[in-house]
Amino acid sequence: GEDVEQSLFLSVREGDSSVINCTYTDSSSTYLYWYKQEPGAGLQLLTYIFSNMDMKQDQRLTVLLNKKDKHLSLRIADTQTGDSAIYFCAERDDKLIFGTGTRLQVFP
Amino acid sequence: NAGVTQTPKFQVLKTGQSMTLQCAQDMNHNSMYWYQQDPGMGLRLIYYSASEGTTDKGEVPNGYNVSRLNKREFSLRLESAAPSQTSVYFCASSETGGTGELFFGEGSRLTVL
Repeated sequence: GEDVEQSLFLSVREGDSSVINCTYTDSSSTYLYWYKQEPGAGLQLLTYIFSNMDMKQDQRLTVLLNKKDKHLSLRIADTQTGDSAIYFCAERDDKLIFGTGTRLQVFP
Repeated sequence: NAGVTQTPKFQVLKTGQSMTLQCAQDMNHNSMYWYQQDPGMGLRLIYYSASEGTTDKGEVPNGYNVSRLNKREFSLRLESAAPSQTSVYFCASSETGGTGELFFGEGSRLTVL
């Protein structure tokens, strides 16, 4: 069945880069997504990548997709305290399947 | 812009009580969803509705019922609440096709004693 896995926690110093990793199992996924959830709020789409792309860059965000290994990563450059949140990877075939979420903590 | 609105935001129930979580979207989206979020479990799909008049089970439908009242509204009902249903519930909506982005409400925090 479909499964999306992420590590639960990541802690980085302000100004460093953060890399959040995700593995998925459904090779027919058309889109892969990164959502951000701030405390007490719903999820918001951060960025997405189409399955025929290897990389997508959007300001401080870089998404890398390795289809062979079914591995997706999100790199946040110059991480700020405002980036502290839970980050969810998700894949879409006919429905959206979410990973467990990675809690990013940014310390000064 | 309201987007997706959920009510209530907080609710405490006793075991065996029933309640309905309401959700409404003003983006004219065809698809609507109910997710359950527990720590370390990610989001699990309870039910979804691909269009007005249709509903389908997700991963964890047991103990819940849904109604797609019209295009705007999608409600989630707990007929006999159990402590295992203590969770945060999110409603979401999306367009058909396109990138499939989901727009989420702020969540309803339910505690069952």
